[in-house]
Amino acid sequence: ETGVTQSPTHLIKTRGQQVTLRCSSQSGHNTVSWYQQALGQGPQFIFQYYREEENGRGNFPPRFSGLQFPNYSSELNVNALELDDSALYLCASSLYGNTIYFGEGSWLTVV
Amino acid sequence: EDQVTQSPEALRLQEGESSSLNCSYTVSGLRGLFWYRQDPGKGPEFLFTLYSAGEEKEKERLKATLTKKESFLHITAPKPEDSATYLCAVQAGDSSASKIIFGSGTRLSIRP
Repeated sequence: ETGVTQSPTHLIKTRGQQVTLRCSSQSGHNTVSWYQQALGQGPQFIFQYYREEENGRGNFPPRFSGLQFPNYSSELNVNALELDDSALYLCASSLYGNTIYFGEGSWLTVV
Repeated sequence: EDQVTQSPEALRLQEGESSSLNCSYTVSGLRGLFWYRQDPGKGPEFLFTLYSAGEEKEKERLKATLTKKESFLHITAPKPEDSATYLCAVQAGDSSASKIIFGSGTRLSIRP
């Protein structure tokens, strides 16, 4: 158990809708990052937040956005959902961006 | 371009048959290399962090090593419960904008 919790665990959305995924960091961690993992692939870095500011981003379009709150919890928002957005979304927390610890993920299916 | 490549993609071993998984990388400004284990439908579970060439770390039947261009995860006398996907990741860039790049993983299957 890492102490990183994510919700919801599974959800189904329709193409064009918007989704919000939530994450609570491990106690003592101040940095949170989000990853997208398609079936059979390794996780792909979406972005990282530190002190409520985005401080790193992968190759994802602006419709992927996030927030980090003062208690270091975080949200991932995806607008205008596309079929290819179907994946496991992983949240990870760390102390100053060092070794990251993952939650169990949120499975998103877009139909 | 920063890249992480894992091989083989899949590996089937008999219980007790030792082997190694490979992770080769090309990144600028390596800050650390990580190994994770991922069971189906679960998030990755942290195993090791390696920071510099020559470093080694062990945990039960697993041993991770690091050179300037690759890392190996050695598994000694594996058991069926070691079956999982093993992911390698590298952290590159400075602390203000670091990113972590994952390989596609090696699916390890141990037959009783």
